[in-house]
Amino acid sequence: EADIYQTPRYLVIGTGKKITLECSQTMGHDKMYWYQQDPGMELHLIHYSYGVNSTEKGDLSSESTVSRIRTEHFPLTLESARPSHTSQYLCASSEWPSGQGKNTEAFFGQGTRLTVV
Amino acid sequence: KNQVEQSPQSLIILEGKNCTLQCNYTVSPFSNLRWYKQDTGRGPVSLTIMTFSENTKSNGRYTATLDADTKQSSLHITASQLSDSASYICVVSDRGSTLGRLYFGRGTQLTVWP
Repeated sequence: EADIYQTPRYLVIGTGKKITLECSQTMGHDKMYWYQQDPGMELHLIHYSYGVNSTEKGDLSSESTVSRIRTEHFPLTLESARPSHTSQYLCASSEWPSGQGKNTEAFFGQGTRLTVV
Repeated sequence: KNQVEQSPQSLIILEGKNCTLQCNYTVSPFSNLRWYKQDTGRGPVSLTIMTFSENTKSNGRYTATLDADTKQSSLHITASQLSDSASYICVVSDRGSTLGRLYFGRGTQLTVWP
């Protein structure tokens, strides 16, 4: 079982509220990711980080922000939630490949199902 | 454009039967291909991971194959169980960027009936 945790698992919140989705991993991985997934659809990368103090935007435009103050922690924040933010959010982590062609496993958290009403 | 296409979109089989899921990709330059199992409302869990030099890999009743020339992969599930009901996602990683970008298929939704 992967040592990557997301909280909360489920969240129902009103429009305009500020929320933070937590993601923590205990594997010492430098690379961390946030994905957004709608039912029956593929995962879309919204944020990623190479390590402490590194944050980058992904492929899918998102109004959320992230921070990476500690290696193990990669929280995602929505300053003002809207119904369009209703989705499942998945956090993942992986280590840097140690050599040419080396496989690196990506471990996923259980996800946070966010509903904005 | 880097893409991952999976078929069928959904599949229903009876418990104990075998099935094969397909994945075609256009990701280049190719690094590795992974198959994940995702239960409803949960995060994906890795089943297999293969580089271009590997053409088959097994994990219990799951066997993945890879043809890097035709850019096709399959996941074969043997003697299906009710607990195999889930979405199976094909994920391809490129080596053209430092990130090792992951490209996700939409998944095949497998339902196993008793």
